[in-house]
Amino acid sequence: AQSVTQLGSHVSVSEGALVLLRCNYSSSVPPYLFWYVQYPNQGLQLLLKYTTGATLVKGINGFEAEFKKSETSFHLTKPSAHMSDAAEYFCAVSDRRRDDKIIFGKGTRLHILP
Amino acid sequence: SQTIHQWPATLVQPVGSPLSLECTVEGTSNPNLYWYRQAAGRGLQLLFYSVGIGQISSEVPQNLSASRPQDRQFILSSKKLLLSDSGFYLCAWTYLNYGYTFGSGTRLTVV
Repeated sequence: AQSVTQLGSHVSVSEGALVLLRCNYSSSVPPYLFWYVQYPNQGLQLLLKYTTGATLVKGINGFEAEFKKSETSFHLTKPSAHMSDAAEYFCAVSDRRRDDKIIFGKGTRLHILP
Repeated sequence: SQTIHQWPATLVQPVGSPLSLECTVEGTSNPNLYWYRQAAGRGLQLLFYSVGIGQISSEVPQNLSASRPQDRQFILSSKKLLLSDSGFYLCAWTYLNYGYTFGSGTRLTVV
């Protein structure tokens, strides 16, 4: 069975500082990995995804994530935080079968300090 | 391009009343469709998913049911709402598991 663990339900960073949101996964087969962002009272928006190929994945809004198989991690980073990055972020995993579900982590709320 | 529509955006219903939330997808055929619930302070709980017309898989036994009467239509229902059914309901679709596209959600408050 697959699972996702997001370390830290709340993370605070200063505006302009590095954003690092941690995600570790468990999967018995090579996974597909995703990061989603949710703004208040809205649906989830795909930030980036890893399927195959290059392990460093670039997404929207300056975010990127690196798939590290040996560490079973897929941490999300952004070099310089902006106030508009304040939101909840979800890491997710699936095991590539067509009818499989995507399993989400519990989410990390990112707070940006002025 | 593919789009997903979910309505209503907000809903306040009394305990014991019925529920019907609808989700439709445009621009794709034979998508996988999903209903999730997000309760306050919790992550996303998968409720139902469907890989085709009339094919519904339930993840959590509860007061809710789902139906897929057409290829691109997914309906979440309840005959009698409970207080614990309150939450933010999200519909999503995917094809070939390349990531979900979510609807804008329905905020359900049961009073």
